[in-house]
Amino acid sequence: ILNVEQSPQSLHVQEGDSTNFTCSFPSSNFYALHWYRWETAKSPEALFVMTLNGDEKKKGRISATLNTKEGYSYLYIKGSQPEDSATYLCAFSNPTGTASKLTFGTGTRLQVTL
Amino acid sequence: DGGITQSPKYLFRKEGQNVTLSCEQNLNHDAMYWYRQDPGQGLRLIYYSQIVNDFQKGDIAEGYSVSREKKESFPLTVTSAQKNPTAFYLCASSIWGNQPQHFGDGTRLSIL
Repeated sequence: ILNVEQSPQSLHVQEGDSTNFTCSFPSSNFYALHWYRWETAKSPEALFVMTLNGDEKKKGRISATLNTKEGYSYLYIKGSQPEDSATYLCAFSNPTGTASKLTFGTGTRLQVTL
Repeated sequence: DGGITQSPKYLFRKEGQNVTLSCEQNLNHDAMYWYRQDPGQGLRLIYYSQIVNDFQKGDIAEGYSVSREKKESFPLTVTSAQKNPTAFYLCASSIWGNQPQHFGDGTRLSIL
C-alpha cells in the first residue's frame, strides 16, 4: 500500500499571507503527482499534474514544485484570499492501461480569514 | 455543459439492502473511477474502468459491484456485504492515464 502524506493537516492564515504545504510520496516507480482543490459543497477541482523532477507549475497565485528523487511536492499560495479556503489534496499516480489509479493524501485544510 | 453527474445527493440504506449510486459523464472520457471518503482518511479507490465492459478492483472493492455497459455510465452498487457503507462517495473520470481526473459532486450514503 502506497503512503502519501500531507502536512500540515490544517492551516489558518490571514488574508494577504503567503503559505505553503507539503506532500510526501514514494520516490520509487514515480509516474505523476496530482494536486486538487476541494471547496466545501463542491467537487474536487484539478490544479496540477506534475511528471518531471524539478517541475514547477503555476496557476494564478498558486504554484507547485516537484522533487521526485526525494519524494515531495510543495504547493504555494501567494497572497492568500478568503476564496482560497479549501482542502488541498495531493495524489500519487499509478498508471494502469488507460486509467490512472490515484492514492490520495488526507489533505491540508486551509482557512483564510479577513 | 460537460461534466459528471452523480445521483442522488443523499441516500439512505436499510440493513440488508443493496443500493445503487449513479454516475454519468458527458465528457467522452474512457476511464471512470469510484472513490470513498471517510473522516480523517484520504479518498480511497473502490473500482475503476478503463473502457466499456471492463472494470477492475481498486483498494477497497469488497462489498461493492460495478458495471460499465455504456461509456457515459458507471453505476456503483453497495451490497449488503458491505458492513460499513456509511461514507461519502465520489465518482470521477479522465481522458487517459496521466490526465487530471474530473469529479462529480458526490453521494452521501447513510444507514437507517
